[in-house]
Amino acid sequence: QKEVEQNSGPLSVPEGAIASLNCTYSDRGSQSFFWYRQYSGKSPELIMFIYSNGDKEDGRFTAQLNKASQYVSLLIRDSQPSDSATYLCAVRGWGAGSYQLTFGKGTKLSVIP
Amino acid sequence: GAVVSQHPSWVICKSGTSVKIECRSLDFQATTMFWYRQFPKQSLMLMATSNEGSKATYEQGVEKDKFLINHASLTLSTLTVTSAHPEDSSFYICSAREAGINYGYTFGSGTRLTVV
Repeated sequence: QKEVEQNSGPLSVPEGAIASLNCTYSDRGSQSFFWYRQYSGKSPELIMFIYSNGDKEDGRFTAQLNKASQYVSLLIRDSQPSDSATYLCAVRGWGAGSYQLTFGKGTKLSVIP
Repeated sequence: GAVVSQHPSWVICKSGTSVKIECRSLDFQATTMFWYRQFPKQSLMLMATSNEGSKATYEQGVEKDKFLINHASLTLSTLTVTSAHPEDSSFYICSAREAGINYGYTFGSGTRLTVV
């Protein structure tokens, strides 16, 4: 059974600070990793994906992947109140036809003005 | 960017009736459609995966006769909740994958189903 674990939070950070969100996964063969943001009552929207070890930066967001530790994180710099949402980590397996994503339960982030 | 239109956005139905939810890919061909269910404060739980022209593959514990999935074309997939009961009340979301695109599938806007 593939598992994706996240701290449910809530994680509270002051406006302008760095928010750090963490995720671990159980399937060592996982290939691709995704971070989605979900506002209350809305569907998820993709923030970033990463598939190579190391860091990937996109604006205020940085995804970090460590396959040896089976760990992926998302850093949000200069956090804004509009970043307050639940952040979902998702993992895709490997092999032909393995397109399904396994989601974590999400971490609720609150950015305090 | 890729857009998936999901309708209705919310629906209230009586127990025992059926409800159909539609997802349309507006500017791409959705080779694969994933259907999720999300209960309050829970994560997305995959219900089934459907490929165009094929029968859907249901996850363990999901009744295929209760949750009918049709993916007859590359731009339209439907989920019908048959004989709905209050415990079926949930947020249903579709997610489409375009052939050749393996990163960042496109989600529909979700359907809030309330069965009374």
